[in-house]
Amino acid sequence: GAVVSQHPSRVICKSGTSVKIECRSLDFQATTMFWYRQFPKKSLMLMATSNEGSKATYEQGVEKDKFLINHASLTLSTLTVTSAHPEDSSFYICSALEGGREDTEAFFGQGTRLTVV
Amino acid sequence: RKEVEQDPGPFNVPEGATVAFNCTYSNSASQSFFWYRQDCRKEPKLLMSVYSSGNEDGRFTAQLNRASQYISLLIRDSKLSDSATYLCVVNGHNFNKFYFGSGTKLNVKP
Repeated sequence: GAVVSQHPSRVICKSGTSVKIECRSLDFQATTMFWYRQFPKKSLMLMATSNEGSKATYEQGVEKDKFLINHASLTLSTLTVTSAHPEDSSFYICSALEGGREDTEAFFGQGTRLTVV
Repeated sequence: RKEVEQDPGPFNVPEGATVAFNCTYSNSASQSFFWYRQDCRKEPKLLMSVYSSGNEDGRFTAQLNRASQYISLLIRDSKLSDSATYLCVVNGHNFNKFYFGSGTKLNVKP
């Protein structure tokens, strides 16, 4: 199957700093990428949808100034957690859709475990 | 109302048992449906797509009921390796949003 690479897999940062997470589609062009957050023993919560070359669409309750998303190319989307606080500690996962196919599956990155201390 | 709802379980079953999960979705215009499997602290991986006519892959059978807005997953002859969380995924009517259910945890015991 298609490969999505997410980096870093684990990061620890201090409160008040910003953290950037990268999501790359390695062998296909991803016109749409999604960012999810997952709390322990909970399901994935969709945070935002990013389309290449346009602004991300955020889900209700997700602060767009807090979670900056950039999808500058067909193979790369980034999520920046700005001024991180301990409550931002979570597992963040990206996924990507290939092209514009309606029935395509979503391919997931390996996830990033963020710990804010 | 949540986009997708699932019974969180856990379902504790012996090896060899047959187990079924259901998942309901709220948007009647949803077009694509999937079951994903997630192992502990790993990313979700596609188990199977769910087609209108239903589909089967070995011990796994997925079905879609549009009238009642639910999808199901049946696992026959459960193996220990089937222990995982099973996520129901529905994409929205504009197809480029995937919504996940809360997941159903399955524990298959010897």
